[in-house]
Amino acid sequence: QKEVEQNSGPLSVPEGAIASLNCTYSDRGSQSFFWYRQYSGKSPELIMFIYSNGDKEDGRFTAQLNKASQYVSLLIRDSQPSDSATYLCAVNRGNQGGKLIFGQGTELSVKP
Amino acid sequence: DAEITQSPRHKITETGRQVTLACHQTWNHNNMFWYRQDLGHGLRLIHYSYGVQDTNKGEVSDGYSVSRSNTEDLPLTLESAASSQTSVYFCASSESVGTDTQYFGPGTRLTVL
Repeated sequence: QKEVEQNSGPLSVPEGAIASLNCTYSDRGSQSFFWYRQYSGKSPELIMFIYSNGDKEDGRFTAQLNKASQYVSLLIRDSQPSDSATYLCAVNRGNQGGKLIFGQGTELSVKP
Repeated sequence: DAEITQSPRHKITETGRQVTLACHQTWNHNNMFWYRQDLGHGLRLIHYSYGVQDTNKGEVSDGYSVSRSNTEDLPLTLESAASSQTSVYFCASSESVGTDTQYFGPGTRLTVL
């Protein structure tokens, strides 16, 4: 079992719809959770991070964390073609210093 | 503005040659990381450092080395390049306290022929 798992996709949604990206992790001691966006040929860029159970909203993005289920998700409202990218979930296990464990990423395609 | 840079951005080398990839950050971050990214494997940690003179092996460290002589730089050396080391390499940095958010450099595409 991989430590951080994501569906590779591609996930295809129409413009204006809500895109839902999911990530599960195996270590119950994990403390912080990150979503990065990576455009083709570019480096990962941080979208948001979340530490506490529940929802965290930033503009069109909402991160949701459920530690009991070991599940973190990213919702993108009013999806735009410019949101088409690979989304990486990353987890800090809490006893590993600043190291992050990355999932393989989910490719999102937003169709006009 | 503070930033993280990598050089070269593209490199073609031959099997058996020594190659050094540079990473330089101006955020004064203590933590620095090197990853490689390959199709089907995502980002895999090669080496990392939590400060000057500190270096640690990641999950795919064989054939690579790093040294940290100052806060700003963490060069990655491939001692004897192999075709299996053809990849895109990313350097990242983060603060030693706070959110653990890592900020990535633009990447180096390395081809070993």
